[in-house]
Amino acid sequence: EVQLLESGGGLVQPGGSLRLSCAASGFTFSDYAMNWVRQAPGKRLEWVSVISGSGADSSYADSVKGRFTISRDNSKNTLYLQINSLKPDDTAVYHCAKGITWGGVIVIEGFDYWGRGTLVTVSS
Amino acid sequence: DIQMTQSPSTLSASVGDRVTITCRASQSISSSLAWYQQKPGKAPKLLIYKASNLEIGVSSRFSGSGSGTEFTLTISSLQPDDIATYHCQQYNSYSRTFGQGTKVEIK
Repeated sequence: EVQLLESGGGLVQPGGSLRLSCAASGFTFSDYAMNWVRQAPGKRLEWVSVISGSGADSSYADSVKGRFTISRDNSKNTLYLQINSLKPDDTAVYHCAKGITWGGVIVIEGFDYWGRGTLVTVSS
Repeated sequence: DIQMTQSPSTLSASVGDRVTITCRASQSISSSLAWYQQKPGKAPKLLIYKASNLEIGVSSRFSGSGSGTEFTLTISSLQPDDIATYHCQQYNSYSRTFGQGTKVEIK
């Protein structure tokens, strides 16, 4: 059974940083691209970032480019999101989501498994 | 960015009713559309991909149709377990944008 479990969220002041983690199990982690998707309160889901199965390639939504860094450790089956220079608009539940396509390359695709998410609140 | 608009935003129906949710794209996305079900506090669940392909293990009460700019998700016979918010997502462009969600309630 595929499981994705996020952690690392919390309350942080504007300008602060956090590192989110997503522990994956139930599939060959390195065979799939992985994504972060967030949902601010009362807003629609927003794709944030994707990383290839090897970790060599990544891309970001314009709204987070330059502030967020996605990475992965395939030996630990764990996905990360380093979020810096946090703004109140970054307040959201952050979900990790597995890409559908086997092979690990980055494609524009849907997501077949998601985690429940971890809440990041940016407030002074 | 491609904008995705769902209608209605909220839907109230009786058990056994046929329910249809519409998702419109601001430009053609071919069949690059997915539908997700999300219950409060839970992870979103993939229901449909490529507009009309039912994900393995999903009830056959769910079906998807459409191409280009207009898509529908249909629940053939609404059940209490279907109470959730449903999201469409386009994956034809870099931004991978979502609709605003449709909340389905039991009347």
